[in-house]
Amino acid sequence: GAGVSQSPRYKVAKRGQDVALRCDPISGHVSLFWYQQALGQGPEFLTYFQNEAQLDKSGLPSDRFFAERPEGSVSTLKIQRTQQEDSAVYLCASSPGPVAGPNEKLFFGSGTQLSVL
Amino acid sequence: GDSVTQMEGPVTLSEEAFLTINCTYTATGYPSLFWYVQYPGEGLQLLLKATKADDKGSNKGFEATYRKETTSFHLEKGSVQVSDSAVYFCALRGYSTLTFGKGTMLLVSP
Repeated sequence: GAGVSQSPRYKVAKRGQDVALRCDPISGHVSLFWYQQALGQGPEFLTYFQNEAQLDKSGLPSDRFFAERPEGSVSTLKIQRTQQEDSAVYLCASSPGPVAGPNEKLFFGSGTQLSVL
Repeated sequence: GDSVTQMEGPVTLSEEAFLTINCTYTATGYPSLFWYVQYPGEGLQLLLKATKADDKGSNKGFEATYRKETTSFHLEKGSVQVSDSAVYFCALRGYSTLTFGKGTMLLVSP
């Protein structure tokens, strides 16, 4: 596609439900990032993939959060047993190169807004 | 660890006014610095960047200069337009990940 696509655009979950958020990066992009943006805050790093390899998952807040990119393109962020504090916008970004260095440009999706009731 | 501090908003201006949004950072080494913009309902877009000290990034009339001595990267525009209304994020990159500030909302009225 022309840009990074995320679905669903909005997700409402009851506390304790599992959710899965999808990211379709720009075709051919090697690097893929997930960020969490709480209301009134800046995006915070969750995890980074280079192709199918998850090279950094230091930002995942708990073991309820899991991300995968099995074929090196589409990625899914899964949150198990959702809690109210998980409510946020989840942003996906991709970049063409293997490492998002200073001259690499990140392309962001519009995000998935998750509300946990 | 790395951190970015930017002025709180909202910043409310009339069209054609001068804009400054302050941004300071804390980082080890020599990070690259960025300003991103988020228009309502859209994803983050890179506005401008600077990769080393004294570099000036510029785009769409916006400018920011990488000041190592004051660890700052303030965003400026000489004459804002209504269409500039958005949330602006200052960010830095160490190795691979971006660290963002909390964002500053800019509201420009006709």
